[in-house]
Amino acid sequence: AQKVTQAQTEISVVEKEDVTLDCVYETRDTTYYLFWYKQPPSGELVFLIRRNSFDEQNEISGRYSWNFQKSTSSFNFTITASQVVDSAVYFCALSEARYGGATNKLIFGTGTLLAVQP
Amino acid sequence: KAGVTQTPRYLIKTRGQQVTLSCSPISGHRSVSWYQQTPGQGLQFLFEYFSETQRNKGNFPGRFSGRQFSNSRSEMNVSTLELGDSALYLCASSPRLAGGGTGELFFGEGSRLTVL
Repeated sequence: AQKVTQAQTEISVVEKEDVTLDCVYETRDTTYYLFWYKQPPSGELVFLIRRNSFDEQNEISGRYSWNFQKSTSSFNFTITASQVVDSAVYFCALSEARYGGATNKLIFGTGTLLAVQP
Repeated sequence: KAGVTQTPRYLIKTRGQQVTLSCSPISGHRSVSWYQQTPGQGLQFLFEYFSETQRNKGNFPGRFSGRQFSNSRSEMNVSTLELGDSALYLCASSPRLAGGGTGELFFGEGSRLTVL
């Protein structure tokens, strides 16, 4: 069965600190997709990144970076120099591969509430 | 480009009633997925529709149903409401191709259902 674990329920940091959100996943599939979504107080989830199981290259996008390690089944997310606007719930998610792509049936972790204090 | 629109945003029902929630996807998106979010169970997949056909279904009882219209708009219905159905129901659209999907979902702000 597929499962996503986000052990950190809440994290509080002061603005400009770096913060890493952990994500560990379980799947028996050899091909799968991993995601990070952000849910601000308004409620709508916002897509941040997708990574497939064959691409372990780490990625950096501005202040965001992602570290994917198949050996430890982890897909961690780091925010550098955090800002108050980064305050939100962050979800890690997993989907199986089908028909040559990801499915839209995502298995979400329980989320990590990030509070960035000014 | 208009985002995903869900109506109503808030509603209160009593046990035993039924409810219909509506979702208008982003123009050009043909896939609509529904998710339930509760404090206890988190985000759970309900179902996905593409070209008016249900393509995927989560592990929910038959009281939960949905449909998609030819203009890609979607509705979900919950019959015989129970207290545990109180949740934020999120709709997401995707420019899913006929073959695979992308998993990149564009979510609405949700419909918050309270069952008394």
